[in-house]
Amino acid sequence: GQQLNQSPQSMFIQEGEDVSMNCTSSSIFNTWLWYKQEPGEGPVLLIALYKAGELTSNGRLTAQFGITRKDSFLNISASIPSDVGIYFCAGRNYGQNFVFGPGTRLSVLP
Amino acid sequence: NAGVTQTPKFRILKIGQSMTLQCTQDMNHNYMYWYRQDPGMGLKLIYYSVGAGITDKGEVPNGYNVSRSTTEDFPLRLELAAPSQTSVYFCASSYPTGAGEQFFGPGTRLTVL
Repeated sequence: GQQLNQSPQSMFIQEGEDVSMNCTSSSIFNTWLWYKQEPGEGPVLLIALYKAGELTSNGRLTAQFGITRKDSFLNISASIPSDVGIYFCAGRNYGQNFVFGPGTRLSVLP
Repeated sequence: NAGVTQTPKFRILKIGQSMTLQCTQDMNHNYMYWYRQDPGMGLKLIYYSVGAGITDKGEVPNGYNVSRSTTEDFPLRLELAAPSQTSVYFCASSYPTGAGEQFFGPGTRLTVL
């Protein structure tokens, strides 16, 4: 089946730093989603992207739908301890089910 | 709204035992999904349903069964538990229109020994 790659696999940052992560696909998508999962919980939707080039923010989080439609990016500004978790991307084309990436594990050091 | 609820939260099974994982949503979503999440991996789709009475296989359906008799409920059945089914199971639901953003339950952690 389709595969998504997420980079980096994990990252350790200092509180206050900005974070960048990305998600790439071998197929083009028309919808990208970004989720956050905290320990022992289900994924929670952060941002949804619907067209190529779109840039959408949710507080300190900003996500972009790549121009090639094969990638998406998530940035977190001024990280805080509660940003800790696993960030998943998901993408799909019309009429298809979402495919999920393996996640980027974020640790924030005080 | 409670959103998507799942029971039980944890379960340990012996090889060959059976069990049903329960999932209920109160958002009147037509679409419902079952995923499994293995360590370090993304979510893999087991089964999904586009409405009551309609179910379809996802990427990894072997060893599982589902039914959808109501809009709210979408139980997942394991008939003969195997160690390979040790995983965390998530149920999700979504509207059929729009971008189809999925809303997830808190998960069921299953261990098969």
